[in-house]
Formats: sequence, structure tokens, C-alpha cells
Amino acid sequence: EIVLTQSPGTLSLSPGERATLSCRASQSVSSSYLAWYQQKPGQAPRLLIYGASSRATGIPDRFSGSGSGTDFTLTISRLEPEDFAVYYCQQYGSSPFAFGPGTKVDIK
Amino acid sequence: EVQLVQSGAEVKKPGESLKISCKGSGYSFTSYWIGWVRQMPGKGLEWMGIIYPGDSDTRYSPSFQGQVTISADKSISTAYLQWSSLKASDTAMYYCARRPSIAAPLDVWGKGTTVTVSS
Repeated sequence: EIVLTQSPGTLSLSPGERATLSCRASQSVSSSYLAWYQQKPGQAPRLLIYGASSRATGIPDRFSGSGSGTDFTLTISRLEPEDFAVYYCQQYGSSPFAFGPGTKVDIK
Repeated sequence: EVQLVQSGAEVKKPGESLKISCKGSGYSFTSYWIGWVRQMPGKGLEWMGIIYPGDSDTRYSPSFQGQVTISADKSISTAYLQWSSLKASDTAMYYCARRPSIAAPLDVWGKGTTVTVSS
């Protein structure tokens, strides 16, 4: 069973700054089947990135994903006010398709 | 428009049974997996399991195997999550989400069903 860890737990930044979120897997994620989701308070999660680096439909290009194997990164190039939220990674290559514990991006 | 519409909030007592639903529309329901995700109050997302309505192939997370039952009725494009005997620790938000293939993420989510279990 693959376990995901995310760091940092909380990231305090200002609008316009760059955010770098990390997701590490306990073993290699097959075929880079790694996704990132955004969740705002009171809302369902929304798919941002799949296949480690492909943006989902309608996701702005300030969001980018990278990585392979066990180390993955979500980068938000310039934070907009609507980007302050919790971000989860998930591996979907090997059942059970676990989520990471999340990184909260809040306003500094 | 592709949508997953979940049933309304539930308040139950410990020991009671419950079945919540997730109705798909705007796409071929039998061609996509439906997954269930738990979110306990103030906590993160937990993968529960998944079903392929086309043939009812079902996979559970080991953490939830034997604790819940996932099913689907393809004639009405609806997936279900069921408990036979609720516990207070089942209090959570439950989301259903669509998965296009076994090698794809969850691309469309329902708004969630809140389940509260309290004596």
C-alpha cells in the first residue's frame, strides 16, 4: 500500500507569490499516476493536475505539476486570491488510491 | 452537463442502517467508475472504494472493507454507499466522484452528503 506525505502542512504566502507544494510517496507511483486536487471550505475537491503534470480542463496555467517516481511537486506561479485553499495529492496507479494529508495555503 | 447529484444530509443513531446515493447524468453512467471518499470533520480525504456500474466490479480500501457496501443500479444511473450498523465515528462528509478509467483520476465530484451519527 502506497502512503503519501505532503509538505509543508501549512504554507503562508501573499497574493502574487509563488507556492511550491511537495508530495512524496512511500514507493514509486506507477506511470506517474499522481493527481492534485484543490479544496475550498464547504466545497467538494476539484481536480487540478493528473498524470503528474497534465492540467485538467479549465485549470489556469499558473498551476503546474512535475515529478516522477516518489517525488512530486505542485507549483502555483503567482497566487491569486481564489487559490488560498487546501491541496491534496493522490496516487491512482495502485489500489488503494490513497490521498496525502493535504497542504493548506493560507494568506500571510 | 456532467453531474453527480448526491442525496441529502442524514442524521442517524448508532446501530441504525443507512444507504446514501449518487446519481450520474450527462454521460454514459455504465462506462465510468464511481469512487467514494470520506472526509471526517476538519480532516483530509480518505479513499473508501470504487465500483464500475457496467459490471458491478467493486474494489475496497482495506480500511473500509467489511465496514461499508458499495453498489450501483445502472438502470437508474445511481451508485450507493451503505452501512448496516452506523457508529459515531462514521460521522463525516461523503463524496462520490467519477473516474473515467482504471488509469485516471477522479475528474467530476458530487457536492457531498453529510452523515451525522449521534445518540
